[in-house]
Amino acid sequence: DTAVSQTPKYLVTQMGNDKSIKCEQNLGHDTMYWYKQDSKKFLKIMFSYNNKELIINETVPNRFSPKSPDKAHLNLHINSLELGDSAVYFCASRPRGLDTEAFFGQGTRLTVV
Amino acid sequence: QKEVEQDPGPLSVPEGAIVSLNCTYSNSAFQYFMWYRQYSRKGPELLMYTYSSGNKEDGRFTAQVDKSSKYISLFIRDSQPSDSATYLCAMSAFTTGFQKLVFGTGTRLLVSP
Repeated sequence: DTAVSQTPKYLVTQMGNDKSIKCEQNLGHDTMYWYKQDSKKFLKIMFSYNNKELIINETVPNRFSPKSPDKAHLNLHINSLELGDSAVYFCASRPRGLDTEAFFGQGTRLTVV
Repeated sequence: QKEVEQDPGPLSVPEGAIVSLNCTYSNSAFQYFMWYRQYSRKGPELLMYTYSSGNKEDGRFTAQVDKSSKYISLFIRDSQPSDSATYLCAMSAFTTGFQKLVFGTGTRLLVSP
């Protein structure tokens, strides 16, 4: 069974469209994250949720809206997509504790044309 | 200035070489230090973690932390072509009472046979 699963794996869309990426974890972890990885491989944190509550929002444009319907799910909705949004988006989950491992999904490669 | 700095590489070495990967950081609140390995088109996976200054060894891998200099390293002995990947350092701290996980930019390593 996949621990952290994201859908879709690939997403190609036009500028101005609205799209969503879904993430589910079956590990029972409290904390979930969204990261954006650009073409230079920099993995930048976007959001962190703890038990469905938003904890960290790292100066992400308002066009990005995370939603956590329950502890196991953290979805990312993006409005009015721009060319600069093209990247790989990773969902991750992690149990409580500073020394715990974050488990990543396989990533969603978003291409805005 | 990014909280965590890492040379993006690429770093090309012959099989059997000793590899040194490094990160510096600016936030003294970071308490746990991790190295993740990311193969092409995959999510990052935890390789090693440590929380104190000094060395930690696991097979061919050694993680080193110098908190006084805010500097961490990963050494790979007898490097193999299968070690070719992007290596990301990551650091963990509490912020506003919850855990934050910040990544370096990643160093791409190429080990040639």
